[in-house]
Amino acid sequence: GAGVSQSPRYKVAKRGQDVALRCDPISGHVSLFWYQQALGQGPEFLTYFQNEAQLDKSGLPSDRFFAERPEGSVSTLKIQRTQQEDSAVYLCASSLGGGASMNTEAFFGQGTRLTVV
Amino acid sequence: AQTVTQSQPEMSVQEAETVTLSCTYDTSESDYYLFWYKQPPSRQMILVIRQEAYKQQNATENRFSVNFQKAAKSFSLKISDSQLGDAAMYFCAYRSVYDTDKLIFGTGTRLQVFP
Repeated sequence: GAGVSQSPRYKVAKRGQDVALRCDPISGHVSLFWYQQALGQGPEFLTYFQNEAQLDKSGLPSDRFFAERPEGSVSTLKIQRTQQEDSAVYLCASSLGGGASMNTEAFFGQGTRLTVV
Repeated sequence: AQTVTQSQPEMSVQEAETVTLSCTYDTSESDYYLFWYKQPPSRQMILVIRQEAYKQQNATENRFSVNFQKAAKSFSLKISDSQLGDAAMYFCAYRSVYDTDKLIFGTGTRLQVFP
């Protein structure tokens, strides 16, 4: 597709349920990022992939959060045993290059709004 | 650690007028990138404008321009000739050149545009 695609757009989970959020980056983009955006806040970094390698997972809030990108394209963010504080919009972004270059503009998807009840 | 602060939770402007959104940041790094993103209700973050810290010249993109004051660590966004379609959340963001390409965002400013 032309842009970053995320699914589902909305997800309601019961507390304790496991969820999986999918991100389809722009074809050929090396870098992929996950961000968490709580209501009324700015996005906060969760994790970063360069191709299939997860180079930075310092933002993952707990070991209940797990992300993968096994073939260097599609990525899945998994949250186990969801809790109410996990309710947020989860944004995925991809960029063409890897490394600190100005040309690595990040393109964002429309996010998945997760509500834990 | 770097931080980004947006002290205006909400701003409003009349159509065709000019509005300035404020952003300050804190860093010990000498080189970095700064961005303004727009987030409409669709939630998709759209890049508005970007600035390289080593460039003294302020970036401009059509009706959007920035006032980058490196010593003061200030990066404000000016929107000229405001349009109804400019109404959205605006986020200021920082990116290090020494780290991964992750963005550090402020808390955002909601811009309302009145006809």
